[in-house]
Amino acid sequence: DSGVTQTPKHLITATGQRVTLRCSPRSGDLSVYWYQQSLDQGLQFLIQYYNGEERAKGNILERFSAQQFPDLHSELNLSSLELGDSALYFCASTPGGRGSMSTDTQYFGPGTRLTVL
Amino acid sequence: AQKVTQAQTEISVVEKEDVTLDCVYETRDTTYYLFWYKQPPSGELVFLIRRNSFDEQNEISGRYSWNFQKSTSSFNFTITASQVVDSAVYFCALSDGTGFQKLVFGTGTRLLVSP
Repeated sequence: DSGVTQTPKHLITATGQRVTLRCSPRSGDLSVYWYQQSLDQGLQFLIQYYNGEERAKGNILERFSAQQFPDLHSELNLSSLELGDSALYFCASTPGGRGSMSTDTQYFGPGTRLTVL
Repeated sequence: AQKVTQAQTEISVVEKEDVTLDCVYETRDTTYYLFWYKQPPSGELVFLIRRNSFDEQNEISGRYSWNFQKSTSSFNFTITASQVVDSAVYFCALSDGTGFQKLVFGTGTRLLVSP
């Protein structure tokens, strides 16, 4: 158990709908990362938040948005869903905040499997 | 741009065989970090190892060992005496050394260990 939790585990919805995925980082971790794993694109970085602020952006669609709340949990919002958005969405967390020239290990949650019908 | 190549899409072995998973990376950074993650059939991503670019020491952890060679930009993973429980998809990943940065993943190698 990595200590990172994600809900829901599975989500089935229809095209055009909007969903929210939730992530709680490990205790004490300030950074949250979102990744998408699809058959077409593999594992891709979407976005990172550190202590409530957006820090880095990857190949995230404009239909997707995220935020990190004061209690450090994060939500990934996916709107106007398309069939191609079906994927496994992972959240990872790191302590961050050290300010040093090093990279923390990212520990991943169990993922949310999104199916768009 | 950073890139990770795992040329082996799928490997099948019989239990107790040794198997090596290859990982080749590209980066212009002098400081970077390499990782291996395991994704069992249940789907979660499990961290296995992290290595920074200044440490070329090989590492052994039980039946697992890793060989890092900067000269060939490779970070290969060997499982000795494989077991059925080792069946999973294994991902190699790269991150730069500035902190707070994304992981760039390879496409993964599916390992099937049969009894």
